[in-house]
Amino acid sequence: EAQVTQNPRYLITVTGKKLTVTCSQNMNHEYMSWYRQDPGLGLRQIYYSMNVEVTDKGDVPEGYKVSRKEKRNFPLILESPSPNQTSLYFCASSLRVTVSINSPLHFGNGTRLTVT
Amino acid sequence: SQQGEEDPQALSIQEGENATMNCSYKTSINNLQWYRQNSGRGLVHLILIRSNEREKHSGRLRVTLDTSKKSSSLLITASRAADTASYFCAEDNYGQNFVFGPGTRLSVLP
Repeated sequence: EAQVTQNPRYLITVTGKKLTVTCSQNMNHEYMSWYRQDPGLGLRQIYYSMNVEVTDKGDVPEGYKVSRKEKRNFPLILESPSPNQTSLYFCASSLRVTVSINSPLHFGNGTRLTVT
Repeated sequence: SQQGEEDPQALSIQEGENATMNCSYKTSINNLQWYRQNSGRGLVHLILIRSNEREKHSGRLRVTLDTSKKSSSLLITASRAADTASYFCAEDNYGQNFVFGPGTRLSVLP
């Protein structure tokens, strides 16, 4: 089944304790992205990747890192989490590589992170 | 990048009625996409309309696009209780990102 898989689904941690949220897709998609969703603010992009070893900042990259060593995986790393990073996080992927391809995003089921 | 806006923020209707949601965006777009999100779950793609299209249908969904006004609308006809969800528009703006609006919360009452 074609899907984007995020883990864990729920995570409670303390300030400063490094954590990684994993994201994997099995659709051979070039494009992957991380979003955070907060009440009243919609989805805001954190980082995205157009291809292996190519990553770029979105709208709210501060406090986050990503890597794209393989096409299928795009982990989100919080080196020193803070309470303002408490949020619902989504990974998404898309086939698109050029503006001539109109391809939608496929989303994972989300990771609800609480930082105390 | 700047977020567009959906209007209204929340909409409550009776089953069987039509629901219309509007989206305004800020940049030149390659296409505009509509997504649905059930509470706390991942977004699911509903329909994509290219910048050179004006209207598109998919089942009970009808999407229009007015690039001169930088706006789009999503119409759900003959709504059902199962249509209760949040709906988001997303701009694909020739760049590397998709810009989402804050969404419309639709409640369909049985």
